[in-house]
Order: sequence, then structure tokens, then C-alpha cells
Amino acid sequence: AQTVTQSQPEMSVQEAETVTLSCTYDTSESNYYLFWYKQPPSRQMILVIRQEAYKQQNATENRFSVNFQKAAKSFSLKISDSQLGDTAMYFCAFMRGSNYQLIWGAGTKLIIKP
Amino acid sequence: NAGVTQTPKFQVLKTGQSMTLQCAQDMNHEYMSWYRQDPGMGLRLIHYSVGAGITDQGEVPNGYNVSRSTTEDFPLRLLSAAPSQTSVYFCASSYSMPRGQNEKLFFGSGTQLSVL
Repeated sequence: AQTVTQSQPEMSVQEAETVTLSCTYDTSESNYYLFWYKQPPSRQMILVIRQEAYKQQNATENRFSVNFQKAAKSFSLKISDSQLGDTAMYFCAFMRGSNYQLIWGAGTKLIIKP
Repeated sequence: NAGVTQTPKFQVLKTGQSMTLQCAQDMNHEYMSWYRQDPGMGLRLIHYSVGAGITDQGEVPNGYNVSRSTTEDFPLRLLSAAPSQTSVYFCASSYSMPRGQNEKLFFGSGTQLSVL
């Protein structure tokens, strides 16, 4: 069975600092997709970034980037120049290429301090 | 733009009661789904639909029913509520079944359900 593990239940950093959130996953499939979602206090789930497993290049979206280590089954999210609005729960998710169902990690609560 | 609308936002039920959580989207999305979110756990898929008249079970379907009579609406029914169903429920939709490439999942704002 596929699993997604986020080992950091909570993190806090000062505004403008860089922070990295960890995610590891377990799968025997070769075709899959990985995602980071943000859930602010409003409870809305917002897609932050996605990565296709077959792509070697790490995905980036403005201040957000990933470090995708396929052999190690690791998919960490780096947030540069953190802002107060980045305060939220962050979820890592895995999608199998065979049935396209999302498997979610338990989340990391990120607090950006002024 | 309304997006994905869930009602109610909060609900308290007694054990054994039934109720329906409503989900509607105005984006003409074919794919709709229901998740539950429990503390310390990731979201878990309950049921999903790839179009009107088509539904399928997800990871945790027991105790829940769904139907999809229109493209816009995807209600989730609890037939006999149990305390184990206390959770936050999210509805999500996308243009087509998410295959990880271009489709983006749009989430509703959630329903906090407590079963006493």
C-alpha cells in the first residue's frame, strides 16, 4: 500500500527566512505524481506545486520549490522569503498513475512569526 | 465566481440521525469527490464521481452514500450517523478525473460535522 509520511507535525520560522518541509512516500510504482497543498485557517485547500515522477527537474512556483529525490522517495517543499500569509497547514499528497487516487500525508503546521 | 459550494459549514447530529451534506459546483466539472479530514491524518477519499450517473467508492466508503443526478451536484448522505463520523468533510471537483498533469482540484471550504 502507498503511504505518505510528513515527519514534522509543526514548524515555525521568522518572516523572510527559508523553511523546508519534509515528505517521504512509499510506492512500488514508477508512474506517479506528487503534490503540495496549503490549507490556511479558512480551511480551503490550495494547490501549491506539483511534480511528475518521470521529470528529473524539480518543480518551482515563485517562492516555492521542491527537492524531488526519486531514489530516496523524498519530496520536500522549500519556501523562500517566507511571508505571514504562508502560515497554514501543508499537506503532501501522492497520486498513483494507475488509478489516479490521491494519498495524503498527515500535514505539517507551519507558523511564520513576524 | 462561486466555485465549489458546501453546505452546511457546521452540523451537530445525534447518533443514529441521518443527514445530507450538499456540494455544488458551477464550473461544469465532470469529476467530483468527497474527502474526510481527521486530526493527525491526511484526507481520505470517501466516494467520487466521474460524471452524472456514475459514482464509485474511495478509501473509506462505509456509512456513506452518494448520487450524481446532475453535473453540478454531488450530495453525501449519512444514513445513520455514528461518533466515528465526526470529522471535517471536503468536497472537491476538477474538469476531468485528476491525472496529475493539468487538472487542478478545486476544494470547497469544508463542513465540520460532530456526532454526539
